[in-house]
Amino acid sequence: SQQGEEDPQALSIQEGENATMNCSYKTSINNLQWYRQNSGRGLVHLILIRSNEREKHSGRLRVTLDTSKKSSSLLITASRAADTASYFCATDPQTSGSRLTFGEGTQLTVNP
Amino acid sequence: GAVVSQHPSWVICKSGTSVKIECRSLDFQATTMFWYRQFPKQSLMLMATSNEGSKATYEQGVEKDKFLINHASLTLSTLTVTSAHPEDSSFYICSARDSPSTEQFFGPGTRLTVL
Repeated sequence: SQQGEEDPQALSIQEGENATMNCSYKTSINNLQWYRQNSGRGLVHLILIRSNEREKHSGRLRVTLDTSKKSSSLLITASRAADTASYFCATDPQTSGSRLTFGEGTQLTVNP
Repeated sequence: GAVVSQHPSWVICKSGTSVKIECRSLDFQATTMFWYRQFPKQSLMLMATSNEGSKATYEQGVEKDKFLINHASLTLSTLTVTSAHPEDSSFYICSARDSPSTEQFFGPGTRLTVL
């Protein structure tokens, strides 16, 4: 079963606004990763945050990790229409032998 | 980042036939490859993990005799869907990594449609 749960399931915003997606998980992890998937395409790795890190930035992306709450958030600032995609979190649980477990995903639509 | 390719990108086949999907790591040696399945508007579900030269480890509920995985070299893994049926129609994605401490790199996926 999927460990990760994401909310919201769908998010629709206007270009220029910020988008925040959340991910919760159940077990202890080595790291948590965020991926992007355009419709019908493969996954693009966005960012990896390790269990001993609390925040990480990459361009317009900001990821936080709260291991005490077993949750993570992905913030996309100044969104663009090209950011429209599905976003998935994936956890690398400590007991899984590095088998990623994906969340259900958030479908982000950025309206021009 | 490292590149992983899949072939074919899409395939349509008749019910009862077998389909082979290839996953290649182009610029690194993939000691471990993973196969995922994704149904429309759903997340990725791990099907199996394969280590080069070893038998694949299948997730619970995945039939190993139906989804044959071969990882004969450090750059190639294949997934064969045997006696495919319409319910096997899905998006199949592979990923690869060179060591347990490194990230997985994903292929572009293969869309399988079984008529």
